[in-house]
Amino acid sequence: GAVVSQHPSWVICKSGTSVKIECRSLDFQATTMFWYRQFPKQSLMLMATSNEGSKATYEQGVEKDKFLINHASLTLSTLTVTSAHPEDSSFYICSARVTGSPQHFGDGTRLSIL
Amino acid sequence: AQKVTQAQTEISVVEKEDVTLDCVYETRDTTYYLFWYKQPPSGELVFLIRRNSFDEQNEISGRYSWNFQKSTSSFNFTITASQVVDSAVYFCALSGPTGANNLFFGTGTRLTVIP
Repeated sequence: GAVVSQHPSWVICKSGTSVKIECRSLDFQATTMFWYRQFPKQSLMLMATSNEGSKATYEQGVEKDKFLINHASLTLSTLTVTSAHPEDSSFYICSARVTGSPQHFGDGTRLSIL
Repeated sequence: AQKVTQAQTEISVVEKEDVTLDCVYETRDTTYYLFWYKQPPSGELVFLIRRNSFDEQNEISGRYSWNFQKSTSSFNFTITASQVVDSAVYFCALSGPTGANNLFFGTGTRLTVIP
């Protein structure tokens, strides 16, 4: 089945640093990738939708300058949390899909900002 | 507006018992898709099923079965003869006409299967 790889799986870093998370579709070319955020014991909230080669579409309330998304190829999307602060600590999870198929999710990245 | 409600926050069952996870949705779309995902403690989301709004046939896959009822806007998920490995958070989700756009997730139901 479709495999989506996310890296790193866990990041701990100091406040003020920027963190990049990669999302790769390993065995298919993803027309669209999605980034979600999940706080402990809560549901997944969509942050942004990105199509290869175009700017990401951000959900209301998500700061595009804070969460930079680059979708340079059909198999790779990156999310960079810029100048991260403790309130950015969360579980970030990406998904990828080919048109007409369900979204397939990565393993998630647990981000802890000290 | 689209909304998914999973009223059961946590459920505990003893191994081999059957358990049903409830999902109620709201949407103005006439065509839509419903999903169930499993999130084990390791965190990844595992796709279980996608059902479109025109297909009300119930589905069975091994110990899993799904009951879709448009009349009550429900898409319930039953695990038969539960096992410890079924312990996870289960999310019901809804998307619009294309079936693969934004997913609106419910708040999830944490299932604990006690050996």
